[in-house]
Parts: sequence; structure tokens; C-alpha cells
Amino acid sequence: EPEVTQTPSHQVTQMGQEVILRCVPISNHLYFYWYRQILGQKVEFLVSFYNNEISEKSEIFDDQFSVERPDGSNFTLKIRSTKLEDSAMYFCASSEEGQETQYFGPGTRLLVL
Amino acid sequence: KQEVTQIPAALSVPEGENLVLNCSFTDSAIYNLQWFRQDPGKGLTSLLLIQSSQREQTSGRLNASLDKSSGRSTLYIAASQPGDSATYLCAVSHPGTASKLTFGTGTRLQVTL
Repeated sequence: EPEVTQTPSHQVTQMGQEVILRCVPISNHLYFYWYRQILGQKVEFLVSFYNNEISEKSEIFDDQFSVERPDGSNFTLKIRSTKLEDSAMYFCASSEEGQETQYFGPGTRLLVL
Repeated sequence: KQEVTQIPAALSVPEGENLVLNCSFTDSAIYNLQWFRQDPGKGLTSLLLIQSSQREQTSGRLNASLDKSSGRSTLYIAASQPGDSATYLCAVSHPGTASKLTFGTGTRLQVTL
């Protein structure tokens, strides 16, 4: 069964460093999403992406964040200058055109020291 | 601002028991509601999606109901099994921002032998 994959599974970085989290959505899906879950807290929406542009973003998704679909298969989340509070599990998700169910990847656990 | 709450926060039941998980939301103008399962250290798996016009959805031993006017949904699990042990999350979306899911706090379920 097709699934969303994410790399790396874990990343440790120093505060102020840039990180890029990678996702490979399900191949025929056209809508892509990033969510995050700080330890012990709710899953929070960050951004949705369709047709090579951001369709929605939350207040969390400030100028430090960016997303890109650099090729036909990858979808990336970049955090330019990480802060301690960016430590969280980051989930990528995708969905098909005309379908509302979102399929989530296993997540990348980011730790900012 | 939409707030989604789930009770109980944790639940432990013996194998074979039927159980109900609850989800409530403050803004009843939702587009759809989804129930997810989250296993430790893993991503979210979509279980059921209920459109705002629907009352319930069933999949195997799972039945989800929706009472939009009262801002409530329940997930009924019949004949629980140890493999059902996980955290169950509900999430809602809204018309106009249908790609953005607002998640609840989750119910951590343990089914014991």
C-alpha cells in the first residue's frame, strides 16, 4: 500500500542552524501538508501546498519557515534559523484531488539544542 | 477559534470490552471530522472521515457518529483487542479552510489481556 515517507526520522541541530525536513508524498496525491506536534501537546497545522504554492498557513508558519516541491516527488520544509521551541515531531501529509482524507508520514523528530 | 477536546485523556479496558471515545468542538460550522490513530513514535493513521452532512460512518469494529449541532462526535470500538492500544485523535476542518485540520487532545487507550 502506498505511504508517505519522511527523512530523516530524527534530527538534532544547534540553535540558529538551518534544517530541511524531507517528505515523499503518495505519488498521485496533489495536496501536501506539514503539521507539528510538540511533546505532550496537540498536533498543529503549519501549512498546506497545492499547485506549487501555499494554499493555507497558520500563525506558526512565519518567515522562518518555507516549503518547496523541488522535483516531482519530494516536498520539503525548511526552518531557516532554528529556535529551541522548534523542537517537535514534524509530520508531512498528502491527499488526493477531490478527497479529504489526509495520509500522514511517520514524522521527523527534531531536537534543537 | 475552534477548540477540540477529547475525554477521557486516558482509558484502560480489558480485552473484549466495547468502548466509547468522545470528541467535542466549540464551533459547529465544520466541514468534516476525522478520527485518527497514533501509535507511539509513529505517524497518524486515518480511521474514519465523517462529512458534516453525515451522522455516522462505520469501518469494521469502528463506528463514528457526529452530532454537529451539539459539537460532538463519538468513536465506538466494539470487542476491543490489545492491538487497538494507541492514542486516538479527532480532528475537524472548516469550509473555506478545508485543508487545515484542528486536532483534539487525544485519548490514550490501553486494552489489557
